[in-house]
Amino acid sequence: AQSVSQHNHHVILSEAASLELGCNYSYGGTVNLFWYVQYPGQHLQLLLKYFSGDPLVKGIKGFEAEFIKSKFSFNLRKPSVQWSDTAEYFCAFLDTGRRALTFGSGTRLQVQP
Amino acid sequence: GAGVSQTPSNKVTEKGKYVELRCDPISGHTALYWYRQSLGQGPEFLIYFQGTGAADDSGLPNDRFFAVRPEGSVSTLKIQRTERGDSAVYLCASSVAPPGGISYNEQFFGPGTRLTVL
Repeated sequence: AQSVSQHNHHVILSEAASLELGCNYSYGGTVNLFWYVQYPGQHLQLLLKYFSGDPLVKGIKGFEAEFIKSKFSFNLRKPSVQWSDTAEYFCAFLDTGRRALTFGSGTRLQVQP
Repeated sequence: GAGVSQTPSNKVTEKGKYVELRCDPISGHTALYWYRQSLGQGPEFLIYFQGTGAADDSGLPNDRFFAVRPEGSVSTLKIQRTERGDSAVYLCASSVAPPGGISYNEQFFGPGTRLTVL
């Protein structure tokens, strides 16, 4: 079955630290990959997405992610986190036969001032 | 502009009861999705509507779950004979669907309905 794995369930960082959240998917076909973020008390919102082309994609708020096909990975990165980045982050993919997303279990990021 | 809205925001019910959860998508969005998010998990797909019809209901866990979208806008998720395991946040999302093809349009999520079955 197609799935997404996020191995970091809870990450605690100090402000200005660098961030990398892991995401691995298991699907052999063409995938479209996404990172969603849910800030406390807010809706899920799209952070960035990869469809094709340059495997390094940039999203909002200084986030970026790199698609590495050989590793089935799509890790999220930010060079310097802020307290306002405290949120839950979800990796997701959409296979080309469907329009619904398959989400990972999420990573809760806590940034300490 | 207005986003996706869901009502009620919270619903507490007793085991065995029937519940209805409502979703108002963004105006003009023809695609509508329901997801369920259990504690500590990511959202899980339930059903997808394109217009009035359910294009994919493969995520519905069993026949106690049913969803409708009679006029291609508002959707209602219906759960019969609720069980404690149905307790979760039910999320609705909508997107602009292209007239054809398989290209993706961003899904915009609502705030969810938190369902608690006692």
